Amino acid sequence: GAVVSQHPSWVICKSGTSVKIECRSLDFQATTMFWYRQFPKQSLMLMATSNEGSKATYEQGVEKDKFLINHASLTLSTLTVTSAHPEDSSFYICSASSSSNEKLFFGSGTQLSVL
Amino acid sequence: QKEVEQNSGPLSVPEGAIASLNCTYSDRGSQSFFWYRQYSGKSPELIMFIYSNGDKEDGRFTAQLNKASQYVSLLIRDSQPSDSATYLCAVQPGGYQKVTFGTGTKLQVIP
Repeated sequence: GAVVSQHPSWVICKSGTSVKIECRSLDFQATTMFWYRQFPKQSLMLMATSNEGSKATYEQGVEKDKFLINHASLTLSTLTVTSAHPEDSSFYICSASSSSNEKLFFGSGTQLSVL
Repeated sequence: QKEVEQNSGPLSVPEGAIASLNCTYSDRGSQSFFWYRQYSGKSPELIMFIYSNGDKEDGRFTAQLNKASQYVSLLIRDSQPSDSATYLCAVQPGGYQKVTFGTGTKLQVIP
């Protein structure tokens, strides 16, 4: 299957700092990438949909100024958690697809711990 | 009503048995259906997808879709301890890409 690379796999940061997570599609052009968050023992919750060259679409309740998404190319999307707080500690996962009916491929996830 | 519903489990089956995982969805216009396997602390891994009513088989896995009943299931034959994981059902509406996940069913295969 297609490969989606996500970095870093884990990060520990101090409260108030910003963290950037990268998501790359390695062998296909991802017109759309999705960012999910997963708290322990809960399912994936979609945070935002990222389309190449346009602004991301955020789900209700997700602060766009706190979770900055940039999808500058067909192979790269980034999520920046700005002014991180302990409640932002979670498992963040990106996924990508290349067409409207294509199955999603997931990155390996980033475990964020905010102290 | 949740958009995608799954029994959280755990579902325990003995090694070698058939594990049956079920999922119902609320959007009658949904077009694409996926089953993902997620090990603890890892990202989901796609194991099956199905678009049409009926059964789709891939190795030990069979996905079953009944759009009239808004029901999709996953059968795992000859269950192995390595199949122990949380299985996420995901549903995609027709026409755009947003996918909604169920809360997952935890499967435990007992050696």
